[in-house]
Amino acid sequence: GENVEQHPSTLSVQEGDSAVIKCTYSDSASNYFPWYKQELGKGPQLIIDIRSNVGEKKDQRIAVTLNKTAKHFSLHITETQPEDSAVYFCAASNPNTGNQFYFGTGTSLTVIP
Amino acid sequence: GAVVSQHPSWVICKSGTSVKIECRSLDFQATTMFWYRQFPKQSLMLMATSNEGSKATYEQGVEKDKFLINHASLTLSTLTVTSAHPEDSSFYICSARLLAGVDYEQFFGPGTRLTVL
Repeated sequence: GENVEQHPSTLSVQEGDSAVIKCTYSDSASNYFPWYKQELGKGPQLIIDIRSNVGEKKDQRIAVTLNKTAKHFSLHITETQPEDSAVYFCAASNPNTGNQFYFGTGTSLTVIP
Repeated sequence: GAVVSQHPSWVICKSGTSVKIECRSLDFQATTMFWYRQFPKQSLMLMATSNEGSKATYEQGVEKDKFLINHASLTLSTLTVTSAHPEDSSFYICSARLLAGVDYEQFFGPGTRLTVL
């Protein structure tokens, strides 16, 4: 089955700096890659996603890049703000398993004011 | 956007009792709903996939007789934790897939914190 790895597990950055979180996946058939932000005690919220026919997608301060050949994708947050502090999860969706989501292990991001 | 609600948001129960958690899609119809379990500082683990009008598909290692799932309508799925024990204490999250949407999107609920004493 699909295996998604996520790094780093924790990340601290100064306010205004950029943060990058990386994920790799194992099954080349996976074709949809969402990123979720989860605040303490709440459910995950979709912040950005990318399909396998696209290499990069940007939404204001957030961007995602996908390298299908290397089977890795990354989340980039620029001009970080304290409210960006949360746990971020990547996921891969595989059509061979009914588009089930396989989640990474999460990255706890802390933005220091 | 598509909104998914869960009820209750938190519940505390005694060991041996059963607890029901509801997952509702508020402004859309969902053919498929998913139930996840999340332990502190860990990732989301899929427990089961629930399709309206049919039996749920459970992931390996998840006891179907302990975690009863009912998806009776296109807007409601329920998870019942039967004879709950302290090790069942966890954060339970549901998600829903739109009936008429793309087949890879999931919309997540806010989660239910279950504490078994």
